[in-house]
Amino acid sequence: GAGVSQTPSNKVTEKGKYVELRCDPISGHTALYWYRQSLGQGPEFLIYFQGTGAADDSGLPNDRFFAVRPEGSVSTLKIQRTERGDSAVYLCASSSRGGDEQFFGPGTRLTVL
Amino acid sequence: AQSVTQLDSQVPVFEEAPVELRCNYSSSVSVYLFWYVQYPNQGLQLLLKYLSGSTLVKGINGFEAEFNKSQTSFHLRKPSVHISDTAEYFCAVTFGGTSYGKLTFGQGTILTVHP
Repeated sequence: GAGVSQTPSNKVTEKGKYVELRCDPISGHTALYWYRQSLGQGPEFLIYFQGTGAADDSGLPNDRFFAVRPEGSVSTLKIQRTERGDSAVYLCASSSRGGDEQFFGPGTRLTVL
Repeated sequence: AQSVTQLDSQVPVFEEAPVELRCNYSSSVSVYLFWYVQYPNQGLQLLLKYLSGSTLVKGINGFEAEFNKSQTSFHLRKPSVHISDTAEYFCAVTFGGTSYGKLTFGQGTILTVHP
């Protein structure tokens, strides 16, 4: 079946602009995660949804970052007033409820000029 | 503080040689441990996991790992590597009683297998 998909695969924007990154989880997976991977580093947790609600948003770096999952399926990560330091690969993962294996998407590479 | 450390950023090895990729963690609470692999231009894929029971766990592609609670380690091993094992490997941990939720990753180890 289809895996986790993320769009766009690449996004180039200018400093100060607003961006939205989309994640389509595996069908039926109730848990959805966002991570950020900077060059040469391991993925860093941002936020975790169980259904429509954020179960853990402790990794969001500041209030410029926001994520939603209004219908418990697709999720959008929103970044306001982008900064050059936001440049990274943004990874999405999903899992079944209570499942310990997270299935990762290919990521969105964000470049802020 | 809770953290995960991969001691080697790069490991070069010849084909058919054994390999060990090291992972240590720091935690005052219970942990669940994972190894993920990222092949070039692909997403992260689960190799193996330790949740409970036997401390030696076997994963896909001939990899295994051993959980050592006293040394707070979860090293990944393969007795004979293949060119196709060239990839980046990440150790990851969930802290505090659930095997799901937030994963804390190490910095990654790039394994390069030479012919």
